[in-house]
Amino acid sequence: QVHLVQSGAEMKKPGASVKVSCKASGYTFTSYAFSWVRQAPGQGLEWMGWISTYNGNTNYAQNLQGRVTMTTDTSTSTAYMELRSLRSDDTAIYYCARVSGVLVPAAPRPHQVFDVWGQGTLVTVSS
Amino acid sequence: DIQMTQSPSSLSASVGDRVTVTCRASHSVNNYLNWYQQKPGKAPKVLIYAASSLQSGVPSRFSGSGSGTYFTLTISSLQPEDFATYYCQQTYNDPRTFGQGTKVEIK
Repeated sequence: QVHLVQSGAEMKKPGASVKVSCKASGYTFTSYAFSWVRQAPGQGLEWMGWISTYNGNTNYAQNLQGRVTMTTDTSTSTAYMELRSLRSDDTAIYYCARVSGVLVPAAPRPHQVFDVWGQGTLVTVSS
Repeated sequence: DIQMTQSPSSLSASVGDRVTVTCRASHSVNNYLNWYQQKPGKAPKVLIYAASSLQSGVPSRFSGSGSGTYFTLTISSLQPEDFATYYCQQTYNDPRTFGQGTKVEIK
């Protein structure tokens, strides 16, 4: 069975860094990319970026450029998201999601589907 | 960035009702559009991908349609377990933006 298990809740002070892990099981890790999505309390979903587990290529949301780094460790089938210079508005639940590429007839390229999600990691930033 | 706008932001409906949620994109996303369901305290779950393809294991009362800039998610007969928040997401280009969500509540 496919599972993504994330690390536990974190409490950080403003200016600190946090690194959230996402351990995959039940499938071939390098066959799927990962995305990270966050959700501030009572708010909607915000895409943070994605990473290829095949070659490590990344693309980050513009508003997080310079503060976020996504990495993977293929030896342990684990994805990581590090966020630096934390602010109070970074308080959120952080989710990892497996990204499946689905071929649809006549489509010029595969459709990306966030088909498996971690359980979420609450990161609280407070002085 | 492509902006995704859902309507309504919330709705009240009864079990058995037909419910439709709308999602509009600020630019064409072809049919690179997914729908997710999120229940309180839980991670999102994909329902529909490629605008109209039903994800494996999702009940057939859920359906999606649309292309370009206008999309709909329809629940043909609302069930108690369907009370949740629904999000659309474009995967046409980066950033993979989400709509703001539509909360479906019990009338």
